[in-house]
Amino acid sequence: GQNIDQPTEMTATEGAIVQINCTYQTSGFNGLFWYQQHAGEAPTFLSYNVLDGLEEKGRFSSFLSRSKGYSYLLLKELQMKDSASYLCAFMDSNYQLIWGAGTKLIIKP
Amino acid sequence: IAGITQAPTSQILAAGRRMTLRCTQDMRHNAMYWYRQDLGLGLRLIHYSNTAGTTGKGEVPDGYSVSRANTDDFPLTLASAVPSQTSVYFCASSAEPDYNEQFFGPGTRLTVL
Repeated sequence: GQNIDQPTEMTATEGAIVQINCTYQTSGFNGLFWYQQHAGEAPTFLSYNVLDGLEEKGRFSSFLSRSKGYSYLLLKELQMKDSASYLCAFMDSNYQLIWGAGTKLIIKP
Repeated sequence: IAGITQAPTSQILAAGRRMTLRCTQDMRHNAMYWYRQDLGLGLRLIHYSNTAGTTGKGEVPDGYSVSRANTDDFPLTLASAVPSQTSVYFCASSAEPDYNEQFFGPGTRLTVL
């Protein structure tokens, strides 16, 4: 079967670093995605990993280990505007996205 | 139009009524998708279309139908709405079915009473 899991909620302090983990199980894999979703808004694309390793994009980085079925999103120098839900999703063998329930990140001053 | 638009923004609907949610994109993307998002659950795929003239069933297709007469439009129809279809519905598109980014519309908040 297929499944994907991420923490429901995390809290961090402005200016700090936070790591949001995502684990998945699937027989067919075509990449791991991270999206950001502010309350009441649509998801927006953050990153895509298909090979093992770290992809850095400004304050955000995403890591993938295919052998462990594991990814994380690293957010540095947190800002209040980073308060949002972060959605992890993998693309299965049919090129459909299977989504986690999302991690709500709360940033405190 | 820029990107993807959805209409209506929100709707309250009596159970048993028929409803069509509209989705239009101007990016000339081949692939389009309909998702529903419910509290505590991930986005779930209802139907998809890899190219104009073709459609496919996703994870939760029952009670919904779609059509793809042209590249730009991908309406979702609820033939006879039920309260369990209360949800936020997102339309999305990508350049190709296997492309690495999906672009989302602003969503339609649907309440079925």
